[in-house]
Amino acid sequence: KNEVEQSPQNLTAQEGEFITINCSYSVGISALHWLQQHPGGGIVSLFMLSSGKKKHGRLIATINIQEKHSSLHITASHPRDSAVYICAGSIRDDKIIFGKGTRLHILP
Amino acid sequence: KAGVTQTPRYLIKTRGQQVTLSCSPISGHRSVSWYQQTPGQGLQFLFEYFSETQRNKGNFPGRFSGRQFSNSRSEMNVSTLELGDSALYLCASSYSGGAGYNEQFFGPGTRLTVL
Repeated sequence: KNEVEQSPQNLTAQEGEFITINCSYSVGISALHWLQQHPGGGIVSLFMLSSGKKKHGRLIATINIQEKHSSLHITASHPRDSAVYICAGSIRDDKIIFGKGTRLHILP
Repeated sequence: KAGVTQTPRYLIKTRGQQVTLSCSPISGHRSVSWYQQTPGQGLQFLFEYFSETQRNKGNFPGRFSGRQFSNSRSEMNVSTLELGDSALYLCASSYSGGAGYNEQFFGPGTRLTVL
């Protein structure tokens, strides 16, 4: 069992829909990262959080430390949001462990 | 400010050869981390360098090594290449600490194919 689990693995939605991607982890972490990877491989760091909630534009990330769970929300989704979203946790000694990613496809 | 750059972007090698990949961090960033991404295993942490010292290492064999220079540029080396080493190799830089405390800025990656 992976230490960082994401769901769903794949998600297809219509433009404008509200999107939620979930991340659960089974180890202690010092920070939780949400990353976005577009076709071609480039990765962009969306959020790094250790508690509460962060918002950037149409993206919102939340984390519940007690439940070891984080969610990434996208409001008013757009085809350009189509990408792989990866959850990652920073563990002891600053090592980082990754989820397998959620492939999101937004249809126009 | 220029982003993280990696060279080369694509590389084809044969089994048994060795390869060196290069990463130039964002100016002023002192921490460089390396990651391997494969379809089967996803993203995996290789190692992190800070001020020319390896601070952390993932669970990879000794064939994978790296170093960091005084200007924070980093190289990683894979010796005796195996087919399973085919992957996208990403580096990421951050200002001071590692992934636990600082946002990471990723390079475009080097896609290595081992034949």
